[in-house]
Amino acid sequence: AQTVTQSQPEMSVQEAETVTLSCTYDTSENNYYLFWYKQPPSRQMILVIRQEAYKQQNATENRFSVNFQKAAKSFSLKISDSQLGDTAMYFCAFMKQGNTDKLIFGTGTRLQVFP
Amino acid sequence: NAGVMQNPRHLVRRRGQEARLRCSPMKGHSHVYWYRQLPEEGLKFMVYLQKENIIDESGMPKERFSAEFPKEGPSILRIQQVVRGDSAAYFCASSPPGTSRAGELFFGEGSRLTVL
Repeated sequence: AQTVTQSQPEMSVQEAETVTLSCTYDTSENNYYLFWYKQPPSRQMILVIRQEAYKQQNATENRFSVNFQKAAKSFSLKISDSQLGDTAMYFCAFMKQGNTDKLIFGTGTRLQVFP
Repeated sequence: NAGVMQNPRHLVRRRGQEARLRCSPMKGHSHVYWYRQLPEEGLKFMVYLQKENIIDESGMPKERFSAEFPKEGPSILRIQQVVRGDSAAYFCASSPPGTSRAGELFFGEGSRLTVL
């Protein structure tokens, strides 16, 4: 069975600074996807970034980038130039490659961005 | 293009009553997923449906819980004889057919169920 672990329940960062959220996972699969989802206080979850395991290049979406270490089963999220609107719960998620979008989520990291 | 719509946003039930949660997927989306979020936990997969079909219900409790996605109308998550442990936020998500963006789910704002 796959598991996703986020060891940081809470993080804080000052506006304009950089913060890194950690995520590790366990799987015996070779083909899979990894995601970071953001859940703002309004509670609608939105996709931040997506990584295919077969791609060595780390995914980047504007101020958001990941450090994907497949051998170490690590998938951290870096937020550069943090903004107040980045304040949210961040969930790391795993999905086995296939035709069912069944995501396995970590327990989340609450990020607070301070002015 | 309206997003995933869930209602009610908040539902209070007494033990033993029934709860019905509704979800209308985004226009053009034919796949619906239900997830449950307990306090201070991540989302847990419950069920995956397509129109008139349950594709994967491996996360659904064996008793009291059921889900449907009829040909017409919203998807319904039904919880019979609710107990306090059912108190949680229930999220619906949808995705379009095809696998070009596998795992990219569009979530609703959730329905928070409180069982007294």
